Amino acid sequence: AAGVIQSPRHLIKEKRETATLKCYPIPRHDTVYWYQQGPGQDPQFLISFYEKMQSDKGSIPDRFSAQQFSDYHSELNMSSLELGDSALYFCASSTGGQRQPQHFGDGTRLSIL
Amino acid sequence: GENVEQHPSTLSVQEGDSAVIKCTYSDSASNYFPWYKQELGKGPQLIIDIRSNVGEKKDQRIAVTLNKTAKHFSLHITETQPEDSAVYFCAASIPNTGNQFYFGTGTSLTVIP
Repeated sequence: AAGVIQSPRHLIKEKRETATLKCYPIPRHDTVYWYQQGPGQDPQFLISFYEKMQSDKGSIPDRFSAQQFSDYHSELNMSSLELGDSALYFCASSTGGQRQPQHFGDGTRLSIL
Repeated sequence: GENVEQHPSTLSVQEGDSAVIKCTYSDSASNYFPWYKQELGKGPQLIIDIRSNVGEKKDQRIAVTLNKTAKHFSLHITETQPEDSAVYFCAASIPNTGNQFYFGTGTSLTVIP
């Protein structure tokens, strides 16, 4: 079965640079979620989109923005990168509605030098 | 928001024994409780979930129980195998909040052959 695809898998940036992470949801899933996971920590919710509109916002810094496109893929744009942004970034997708399971991609490992 | 606590943080069992991981949540409005397994270098994988109108759910060697009164839910793995070794996360979601998941802090399970 098709899964959530994230690219790139690894990304190395320097402080103050920008980065763009991409997420392609499971076909026919209309909702996308972004999570950040630090080393040894649980995933922290950043932001979500349903039918191309932002549906919920978590602990996403103002330096980050995201959007969902007409084909339902999503991009997380990160600017003025800081050392503390080094983490795994996961995208998950689901069908819309409450109490729906989220299916995660294998993440993008972002390292800030 | 929701606060999910998870215990224990690490768990070692002999192959063939059972493993139990427990979570508590703070918001009585939470109505969906998934469990995820995360292997090194991979994204969280949904293994089982339970909705608030059900007290117990079983899928082969995995079962989840929910006590809404105590705001407590548990994952039970029977006849553990070395390939069950991973980090397990519980999560909770609150209706009408965009379906974001609040994760527990994770349990690192090691199954000793």
